[in-house]
Amino acid sequence: QKEVEQDPGPLSVPEGAIVSLNCTYSNSAFQYFMWYRQYSRKGPELLMYTYSSGNKEDGRFTAQVDKSSKYISLFIRDSQPSDSATYLCAMRVPGGGGNKLTFGTGTQLKVEL
Amino acid sequence: NAGVTQTPKFQVLKTGQSMTLQCAQDMNHNSMYWYRQDPGMGLRLIYYSASEGTTDKGEVPNGYNVSRLNKREFSLRLESAAPSQTSVYFCASSEADQPQHFGDGTRLSIL
Repeated sequence: QKEVEQDPGPLSVPEGAIVSLNCTYSNSAFQYFMWYRQYSRKGPELLMYTYSSGNKEDGRFTAQVDKSSKYISLFIRDSQPSDSATYLCAMRVPGGGGNKLTFGTGTQLKVEL
Repeated sequence: NAGVTQTPKFQVLKTGQSMTLQCAQDMNHNSMYWYRQDPGMGLRLIYYSASEGTTDKGEVPNGYNVSRLNKREFSLRLESAAPSQTSVYFCASSEADQPQHFGDGTRLSIL
């Protein structure tokens, strides 16, 4: 079993929809959580970074962490065609270890006009 | 505002050939990383360098070597390329335990 599980999709939604992307994890030592967006033929780009349970909002994006359930989510409000990309969750343990991240496999999102 | 720059962007090799992938960052970060990305496997860490002068193995180091040339540059070498090393390779950098910033990758095909 992978440490981080992420539904690969593809997920197709109409423009303006609310999108929910999710990851589950098995390692309770993970304390820092990130969401990256990756456009086709580009590198991952950091969207959200959080280290506490609860919600963090940045514009149309909300990151949610539930450590008790080992579950994180990314919500996209008023989705746009420009949001079409692959979304990767990533997480790490605190302290030493070289800031090594464990990634989900990514969810491919398509927002259609 | 270059960030993390990787060269080359594309490369085709024959089995057994050697190659070095280059990575440079202009953000004055101490830590640098090499990943490979394969369909269904996500990003997997090959090697990382927590600071200039140090390197450590990641999850999938076999068949690769790295050199932290200076604070800016971190190269990845394939001594004898194999078809299983066909992948997209990403370099990243970060300051200490802050989020990593990625380059746009090198697409490598080994025939």
